[in-house]
Amino acid sequence: AQSVTQPDIHITVSEGASLELRCNYSYGATPYLFWYVQSPGQGLQLLLKYFSGDTLVQGIKGFEAEFKRSQSSFNLRKPSVHWSDAAEYFCAVGPANQAGTALIFGKGTTLSVSS
Amino acid sequence: GAVVSQHPSWVICKSGTSVKIECRSLDFQATTMFWYRQFPKQSLMLMATSNEGSKATYEQGVEKDKFLINHASLTLSTLTVTSAHPEDSSFYICSADSGQGREKLFFGSGTQLSVL
Repeated sequence: AQSVTQPDIHITVSEGASLELRCNYSYGATPYLFWYVQSPGQGLQLLLKYFSGDTLVQGIKGFEAEFKRSQSSFNLRKPSVHWSDAAEYFCAVGPANQAGTALIFGKGTTLSVSS
Repeated sequence: GAVVSQHPSWVICKSGTSVKIECRSLDFQATTMFWYRQFPKQSLMLMATSNEGSKATYEQGVEKDKFLINHASLTLSTLTVTSAHPEDSSFYICSADSGQGREKLFFGSGTQLSVL
């Protein structure tokens, strides 16, 4: 079955500390992987995506993620968290080169930032 | 960058009435649009996939007579919640796909529906 697992429901990080949000996927075909951020009452903003090539991808707002095929993981990282990073983060997977196919989302991780 | 406009962002309606939500792709043609529903503190659940000019494909458990989807043009899809009830209260998000690979997949800002 195709699925995305975000093991951590809620994470609290001190401002300035590093962050890692975990994402594991189960997908039969070659996946495209995404990380989105959602502020309360807002839509989704794409942070970064992995299609192919370099397994370490850089995104906006200082985020990066590393694709590890052997572990079926696509963890999101940021070296120094800012208070404005507090939000809901979703990992998503979709089939490569299949336009018109919806993404599958994980349940999300809520990030709180403490001062 | 590409923008998907979703309107309204927030709506309150009485039970039994219908509500229409619009999703527009502003600077590209969306061959496919997706409608998701999100409950508080939950993930996005795909409701239906709509392709321009054809009937929408609904996910299992989604009532197609209750959630009417129209994708009449390459830049507009609408979701109409008919005879709304309080349990239909939710956050609805659309997504537009230009059909040019995963590079062209964008989300609207969502609509919070509250049914009294």
